[in-house]
Amino acid sequence: EAGVVQSPRYKIIEKKQPVAFWCNPISGHNTLYWYRQNLGQGPELLIRYENEEAVDDSQLPKDRFSAERLKGVDSTLKIQPAELGDSAVYLCASSLRLGYDEKLFFGSGTQLSVL
Amino acid sequence: DAKTTQPPSMDCAEGRAANLPCNHSTISGNEYVYWYRQIHSQGPQYIIHGLKNNETNEMASLIITEDRKSSTLILPHATLRDTAVYYCIVRAGTGANSKLTFGKGITLSVRP
Repeated sequence: EAGVVQSPRYKIIEKKQPVAFWCNPISGHNTLYWYRQNLGQGPELLIRYENEEAVDDSQLPKDRFSAERLKGVDSTLKIQPAELGDSAVYLCASSLRLGYDEKLFFGSGTQLSVL
Repeated sequence: DAKTTQPPSMDCAEGRAANLPCNHSTISGNEYVYWYRQIHSQGPQYIIHGLKNNETNEMASLIITEDRKSSTLILPHATLRDTAVYYCIVRAGTGANSKLTFGKGITLSVRP
């Protein structure tokens, strides 16, 4: 079974440029997460989707970040315009959120460098 | 969700058991203890979780104290591939406001 697929693996851009990350979750998983991980820190939640609905976007900097999950499957996270402080690893995770058990499966992430 | 406290790092010899401690003194009765690990340049990987009873799977064992204020993740025979950052997370079920909140974790170094 394929895991969570993210692309690109690496991205280098200049500040003020736009950038987009793509995530394909595990088939059948209804819940999708985007996390950001700064160097030496644990991942921080940006947004959570239940199917097509963004149910928790309280940590998403909405002035420059946007996300979508069309048809409740693939998802895209966009930053426009990028700032130097956005340099980080962006992780996508998916799960089948049922009852009290939830195991998140993470992709390998997209490492963003903003110059 | 309750906070957890982990030492920043530890090491162990290959082939020996690695015992990773975690403090969660403010844990509530409905909160689960989860462990994830992150190998360099990869996303976090689920290891195990538990509520009250000790748990074991093919990767590790989780020992939760009777008062639930601390727990230990045990890797019975550590290998070099177990070198990673291990995150102990306390989480209250999967309710609407429940989320997996990562701290800095503990860096385990397995030496040859």
